[in-house]
Order: sequence, then structure tokens, then C-alpha cells
Amino acid sequence: QVQLVQSGAEVKKPGASVKVSCKASGYTFTNYGIAWVRQAPGQGLEWMGWISAYNGNTDYEQKFQGRVTMTIDTSASTAYMELRSLRSDDTAVYYCARDSAPFDRWGQGTLVTVSS
Amino acid sequence: DIVMTQSPDSLALSLGARATINCKSSQSILYSSTNKNYLGWYQQKPGQPPKLLIYWASTRESGVPDRFSGSGSGTDFTLTISSLQAEDVAIYYCQQYYSTPKTFGQGTKVEIK
Repeated sequence: QVQLVQSGAEVKKPGASVKVSCKASGYTFTNYGIAWVRQAPGQGLEWMGWISAYNGNTDYEQKFQGRVTMTIDTSASTAYMELRSLRSDDTAVYYCARDSAPFDRWGQGTLVTVSS
Repeated sequence: DIVMTQSPDSLALSLGARATINCKSSQSILYSSTNKNYLGWYQQKPGQPPKLLIYWASTRESGVPDRFSGSGSGTDFTLTISSLQAEDVAIYYCQQYYSTPKTFGQGTKVEIK
């Protein structure tokens, strides 16, 4: 069955970076893109960007441009999302999702807490 | 960016009642060459990731109970739960995937009265 398994919770200080991984299984990894979505505590869903697992092309939400990098390791069927210069308002659960136009499978989420 | 606006923000209904959630996009998300509306509905329960319920505005995802249905076209869409069950307590989000950023509505919280 299709599964996306994300790395564990992180606690970071303001100004630091975090890199979240998302390991896919149960389907041909390169046939779909991976989207990243975050959810601040008690808030809604925010699309951060997308990466093609086929060729590594990316499309980032403008507000994250310059601070986010999404990458793919096809040999490990794993996607990564790195967010730099963390601020307290980056505290959120970060999700990866298989992008088949709608997002039909989601990872379990990774809580990133930014606190001094 | 396409703005997605849901209404109401929350609703509380009795078990077995009909629940209706509306979603409006700031521009049409009907793609003329495919005649498809690029609209999905998701259900999110506390502590869980979102789950896709409906895509192409009205196609039910495999395994989703048939009490969930989607309708609408262009800019106005509706998610209907025909007979509300206790396990349907959740927040529901619409999302457009017509163009990036693939924006979500603000969510509608559904509770049992």
C-alpha cells in the first residue's frame, strides 16, 4: 500500500535550519510529485511548494522563496524539505503529500518547534 | 493566487442530519480543455493528516462512504454529508489544484449537537 513516512519531531532555535524527510513506498516514486504543506497550531493548511520526483523541478510558494529547498533522492524514494532562518512563526506540523493533482496520500506529519 | 473561501466556519448538527459546506474560488477552476473542476475536499480529524474525500469536485475517493458527495462547477462548490455520523466530526477543507499555489480554504469545523 502507498505510504509516506516522515522523520521525527524537531526542536530548533530561531535562525537555525531544519530538514524534514519523507520516505515513499508502495508505488513508483518517479511517477508523482511531492507537495509540502504546513499547519501552524490551531490553523489551516498552507501549501509550501512541490517537487517533481521525476526530474527534481520545483515550484515554491513565493513567501518561502529563498528560505526553502526541496530535494529528491530517487535511489531512496525519499523527498526532503529544508527550511532555513527559522522564526517562531515557523512552528508547525509539516506534511508531505503525494501530488496526483489532488493530494491523495499524506505523511503522518513532522512537528517542528522553533523556540529559544 | 486563487483564494478559496469556505462557509460556514463551523456547524453543529444532530446525528443523521444533512451537512452542507460551501466553497467559493476567486476565479474559475474549471479547465475548459478537460471540462474538469480542479477541486478537492479533505477531512482532517484531530492529530491526523488530512484525508482526500473528493476530487474533480464530485468524484469520491476509493473507500469513502457514499454519504459524502461533492457538487458544483466554475467557482462555487459544495460538500454534502447526507446523514451525519459521529465519526464525521472533523475539519473539512476544500483545495484548488488548478494552479500553484494550490490553495486551501480556511476549513469548516463539523460537530455533533
